[in-house]
Amino acid sequence: DAGVIQSPRHEVTEMGQEVTLRCKPISGHNSLFWYRQTMMRGLELLIYFNNNVPIDDSGMPEDRFSAKMPNASFSTLKIQPSEPRDSAVYFCASSLVQGLTDTQYFGPGTRLTVL
Amino acid sequence: GIQVEQSPPDLILQEGANSTLRCNFSDSVNNLQWFHQNPWGQLINLFYIPSGTKQNGRLSATTVATERYSLLYISSSQTTDSGVYFCAVVGDNFNKFYFGSGTKLNVKP
Repeated sequence: DAGVIQSPRHEVTEMGQEVTLRCKPISGHNSLFWYRQTMMRGLELLIYFNNNVPIDDSGMPEDRFSAKMPNASFSTLKIQPSEPRDSAVYFCASSLVQGLTDTQYFGPGTRLTVL
Repeated sequence: GIQVEQSPPDLILQEGANSTLRCNFSDSVNNLQWFHQNPWGQLINLFYIPSGTKQNGRLSATTVATERYSLLYISSSQTTDSGVYFCAVVGDNFNKFYFGSGTKLNVKP
C-alpha cells in the first residue's frame, strides 16, 4: 500500500483565499484523522471520522474550518477564508479500527503558509 | 481537559546510550500512545499502550495507568532515533486526544 497520501505537500496562499487540503487514507482503514501542528500549540486533533461519519469536531478551531469525507477513500479539510494564523503543518492519518484506540498511520503532511 | 506533561523537554545522547522518557497525565485515560516525529517531520505511531509493557526492538514502553504515567525506553540509541517523541492520551469519553509537548531527542554519533 502507498500509505496515507496528502496533497498538496506545500501551499502558499494569501489571506482571505480558500484553501483545500486533501487526504487519501490507506485502503480498508475505517477511521481518518486531521491534525494541525504549530510551534505555539503543538499537535492538535482537529476532527476524525469513523466510516466516513464525523465523530468529534471539537478540535476544529473556527467555523472557517470544515472537513468532509464523501467516501472511504477521500477526505478534504477546507479553510475559508484563510488567515495568517492558520499557517501550520496539517497531517492526515488513518487507522484500521474505528476511533482513537488503534495504531494511526500518518501522511507526510501539508505545510500551509498564509501570507 | 487532561493535562499531559512530558519530561525531559530536551535530551542529548551519545550514540549507544540508553534513555527513559516520561509522560505524566492528570486524569484517568482509556488509551495512551507514543509517537515519534523524525527531523524531516514524518510522524510514526510507536506504541498503543493503555497499560502494561510492550517492546518493539530497541524500544519499549510501560504504562502504569493507576499512577498516571508512562515511560518510553530507548536502548542502544542510534542517530536515527533523533526527533521529537510525543505522548498522547484519550480520556474516558473516548473522543478527544490530548498531546504532550514532546521530548526532543538528539543522538550524536
